[in-house]
Amino acid sequence: DVKVTQSSRYLVKRTGEKVFLECVQDMDHENMFWYRQDPGLGLRLIYFSYDVKMKEKGDIPEGYSVSREKKERFSLILESASTNQTSMYLCASSLLGRQAYEQYFGPGTRLTVT
Amino acid sequence: DAKTTQPPSMDCAEGRAANLPCNHSTISGNEYVYWYRQIHSQGPQYIIHGLKNNETNEMASLIITEDRKSSTLILPHATLRDTAVYYCIVRVPSSNTGKLIFGQGTTLQVKP
Repeated sequence: DVKVTQSSRYLVKRTGEKVFLECVQDMDHENMFWYRQDPGLGLRLIYFSYDVKMKEKGDIPEGYSVSREKKERFSLILESASTNQTSMYLCASSLLGRQAYEQYFGPGTRLTVT
Repeated sequence: DAKTTQPPSMDCAEGRAANLPCNHSTISGNEYVYWYRQIHSQGPQYIIHGLKNNETNEMASLIITEDRKSSTLILPHATLRDTAVYYCIVRVPSSNTGKLIFGQGTTLQVKP
């Protein structure tokens, strides 16, 4: 079974803090994704990566950065957390190419910024 | 990417088949139909996908009409754990990003 794990299920941070969200997959997938999900706005892609040290911006990269130093690990960084970054953050992974849309998701991290 | 239309909600009795429809009348020849679901407070889960032939796996069956303008996801024996929001997505699998876009989906309530 594909397993995607995220470092925390729930996280509470203060405005201005630097926040690290980590995602690890164990299926040797090339692609990894960070999404956020908000009521009424659906799923929105923040960043994705198709290889180690490679990253591509998604639809809403502002205020976020990412790091992929190893194939199995993809980190999302909030440089200075703000209240509008309160959200559910979902990590996913997939193979490349024709299987890119068969994505396996982690359980999500519900981040609250106060 | 083709737009999809799904009913906002459906009920199903436990143990019965759940048939979830999706309309994608503007689908193009190289677009696949993907289904995901999301159980409350969990990450989305990939279910199945297909191009034009019917597909079956351990979770569900996917029936795509001959003109490909609509499809139906079938859960053959629904259980309470199948209560979730089900999303139908149409994408070209060779596109670069792999970005998923979920619409409103269908909330399936399986009742005892």
